[in-house]
Amino acid sequence: QMQLQESGPGLVKPSETLFLTCNVSADSMSTSRYYWGWIRQPPGKGLEWLGNVYYSGTTYYNPSLKSRVTVNVDTSKKQISLKLISVTAADTGVYYCARYRSIVGAKGAFDIWGQGTMVTVSS
Amino acid sequence: DIQMTQSPPTLSASVGDRVTITCRASQNIDTFLAWYQQRPGRAPKLLVSDASTLESGVPSTFSGSGSGTDFTLTITSLQPDDFATYYCQQYSDYSPTFGHGTKVEIK
Repeated sequence: QMQLQESGPGLVKPSETLFLTCNVSADSMSTSRYYWGWIRQPPGKGLEWLGNVYYSGTTYYNPSLKSRVTVNVDTSKKQISLKLISVTAADTGVYYCARYRSIVGAKGAFDIWGQGTMVTVSS
Repeated sequence: DIQMTQSPPTLSASVGDRVTITCRASQNIDTFLAWYQQRPGRAPKLLVSDASTLESGVPSTFSGSGSGTDFTLTITSLQPDDFATYYCQQYSDYSPTFGHGTKVEIK
């Protein structure tokens, strides 16, 4: 069974940049059926999609965060990454990476999730 | 953005009960809808895609239905493991959005 594992700093200062990576245990990430994405969850709240990336590098972003978010993929390392600039306390939460199964083109559902990593934005 | 509205926000029920959670989209999303279960401290788990297709390994006590703007997730006989929070997610466009969740708690 494929596994995803997030890693990164647990604490980030306001106005700084958050950088997370997600290691994918899979034979290959370069399959046409899947994208790879990031979702976050503030403490006690719901889920917010941040962005998706295809193995080719094509990206899709949440319009409300597009100016601050960058998602990349490195298929040779079997890794995806998230960069979020100019963080504030509102960016505090659990960050998940997940596999996004294509159902209709670049539209689909998150069928395998990492365990998540907690990020706190505080000085 | 397509907004997803779930109801109720919280639902109190007992083991063996039949429960229904609803999800309404702000515009027509055909059947481009998924349901997730999230237990406390755990990552979400995909239960249903295409509004009614159960994922492999999901008990048959779960079922999804609906199309257009109105959807339901039904649990026919609530089990102890089913007390969790449930989210719907639309994938009608390239910006997937989630509902705010329905917490199913023990009565």
